[in-house]
Amino acid sequence: SQTIHQWPATLVQPVGSPLSLECTVEGTSNPNLYWYRQAAGRGLQLLFYSVGIGQISSEVPQNLSASRPQDRQFILSSKKLLLSDSGFYLCAWELAGGPNEQFFGPGTRLTVL
Amino acid sequence: TQLLEQSPQFLSIQEGENLTVYCNSSSVFSSLQWYRQEPGEGPVLLVTVVTGGEVKKLKRLTFQFGDARKDSSLHITAAQPGDTGLYLCASLGGYTGNQFYFGTGTSLTVIP
Repeated sequence: SQTIHQWPATLVQPVGSPLSLECTVEGTSNPNLYWYRQAAGRGLQLLFYSVGIGQISSEVPQNLSASRPQDRQFILSSKKLLLSDSGFYLCAWELAGGPNEQFFGPGTRLTVL
Repeated sequence: TQLLEQSPQFLSIQEGENLTVYCNSSSVFSSLQWYRQEPGEGPVLLVTVVTGGEVKKLKRLTFQFGDARKDSSLHITAAQPGDTGLYLCASLGGYTGNQFYFGTGTSLTVIP
């Protein structure tokens, strides 16, 4: 069976510091991968998606970047965090060519102070 | 960006009551998913609907897809405290039609 992992689970960082959040998927090959950000109690905002190694598409201009160095690894980064980067970050995978259903990781709660 | 509006935004009901949550868009959905999310966790897929007019049942949850595939509803019968959570609809969109867009969410609280 497939599993998706995210770490860290929680993170508190000062403004201006760098960021690296990691997401890995097990049990599948060549998945589509997604990064979302969620404000408290609200819907999800799509940040990045990837259909393959080194292929990253960005949905909104922002202070963040994403990379996919390996087939089942997706990384969200920032060189200098802003207060507005605080939120709940979710990674999701989808079977490429499958029934368009996404499966989410447990999320990372980021607080920028 | 495909905008999905959900209503109501917040809902607080007593255990045993029935409720309906709505998801609407001005665009036609290619497919639509409903998710439930508990605090501090990722969303969990409940159902996918594809065909206009389609009705799917999952125990006490009934999902309906509008005939024109522009709207969907989720009906819960005899709500229980375990139904508490954030309900999200999602559909495909974007430039290539391969990106998911999520609705604004309905936060449900079922009071014992």
